[in-house]
Amino acid sequence: ETGVTQTPRHLVMGMTNKKSLKCEQHLGHNAMYWYKQSAKKPLELMFVYNFKEQTENNSVPSRFSPECPNSSHLFLHLHTLQPEDSALYLCASSQEGPARANTGELFFGEGSRLTVL
Amino acid sequence: KNEVEQSPQNLTAQEGEFITINCSYSVGISALHWLQQHPGGGIVSLFMLSSGKKKHGRLIATINIQEKHSSLHITASHPRDSAVYICAVQDTGNQFYFGTGTSLTVIP
Repeated sequence: ETGVTQTPRHLVMGMTNKKSLKCEQHLGHNAMYWYKQSAKKPLELMFVYNFKEQTENNSVPSRFSPECPNSSHLFLHLHTLQPEDSALYLCASSQEGPARANTGELFFGEGSRLTVL
Repeated sequence: KNEVEQSPQNLTAQEGEFITINCSYSVGISALHWLQQHPGGGIVSLFMLSSGKKKHGRLIATINIQEKHSSLHITASHPRDSAVYICAVQDTGNQFYFGTGTSLTVIP
């Protein structure tokens, strides 16, 4: 138990569906991240939120839409995905200091395994 | 070329063997992390280090900043150590770079 909870753990969706992934952290952290993990590839950073503000968007297609309503919750809204979007989506959190210096390690959730048919 | 390279990509060992996984990186770093990912997908942080050596149970992590190299050692390996081990570095701008992971299987 890392203190970061992701739901659902598994999701199968068609290309025309709309679904959402949810992440909740119970660690009091102020930074949250979405990562994509595809087979045999390094983790790819998708989005970063610091103090609920989006600070990075690594050229992610608009069919992925993040939402961070508060510092404990992070969503990834999915619509009109492609089969190549099938992957493990990992949420993580960390504690960032006032000077935006990352003071510690990343805490990951269990991941949401997404299959797009 | 990835900023973080790990070797080997796959490793099979007999229970009880001493295991070493290597990580080389090309960026200036503030910290290096060793992560463990079990088949279910969740990732757990094993070590965060910026110099020297750290030990936790049967796991030992070392880093050589001058050579930009780190190693993760597992002593007296056990089947429950079977997992993917990922090396990650934080650069001086606090951006993370990840290796592709080393898949370890320990056979009873």
